[in-house]
Amino acid sequence: AQKVTQAQTEISVVEKEDVTLDCVYETRDTTYYLFWYKQPPSGELVFLIRRNSFDEQNEISGRYSWNFQKSTSSFNFTITASQVVDSAVYFCALSEQGGSEKLVFGKGTKLTVNP
Amino acid sequence: DAGITQSPRHKVTETGTPVTLRCHQTENHRYMYWYRQDPGHGLRLIHYSYGVKDTDKGEVSDGYSVSRSKTEDFLLTLESATSSQTSVYFCAIRGTSGNPSLDEQYFGPGTRLTVT
Repeated sequence: AQKVTQAQTEISVVEKEDVTLDCVYETRDTTYYLFWYKQPPSGELVFLIRRNSFDEQNEISGRYSWNFQKSTSSFNFTITASQVVDSAVYFCALSEQGGSEKLVFGKGTKLTVNP
Repeated sequence: DAGITQSPRHKVTETGTPVTLRCHQTENHRYMYWYRQDPGHGLRLIHYSYGVKDTDKGEVSDGYSVSRSKTEDFLLTLESATSSQTSVYFCAIRGTSGNPSLDEQYFGPGTRLTVT
């Protein structure tokens, strides 16, 4: 069965600090996809990134970066120089290969960035 | 903007009443999904659809039914609402770029349902 674990329930940092959100996944599939979504206080879910299991290259997008390590089944998300607008709940998710691609979500990490 | 709307956005209903939530998309996507979000559980899949009249169950489908009579609409019905179905319900569509390895799910704004 597929499972996503986000062990950090809540994280609080001061603006400009770097912060890493952890995500550990379990799957028996050899091909799968990993995602991160952001849910700001307004409640909508915002897609951040999708990564397939064959692409272990780290990705950077502005202040955001993602570290995918198949050896440890982890897909961690780092925000550099955090800002108050980064305050949100962040969800990591996993889907099986092809077809329906149903998402299995972690329980989320609530990030609070204080000024 | 993936062109997804949900209605109603908020609803309060009584235990035992039927409730239907609607998800509408404007971009002709094949795959549509219903999730519920509860504190401490993240989001969990209720049902999904892979085409008109083609649906299947997700992780938490008990007490819910769905219908998709046309591509743009995916309905979620609670036949007899219970307090345990108080939740925020999100609809999602799976973008189709033509390359399945590039597709991601986009979510609607959510419906907050309270069953009293």
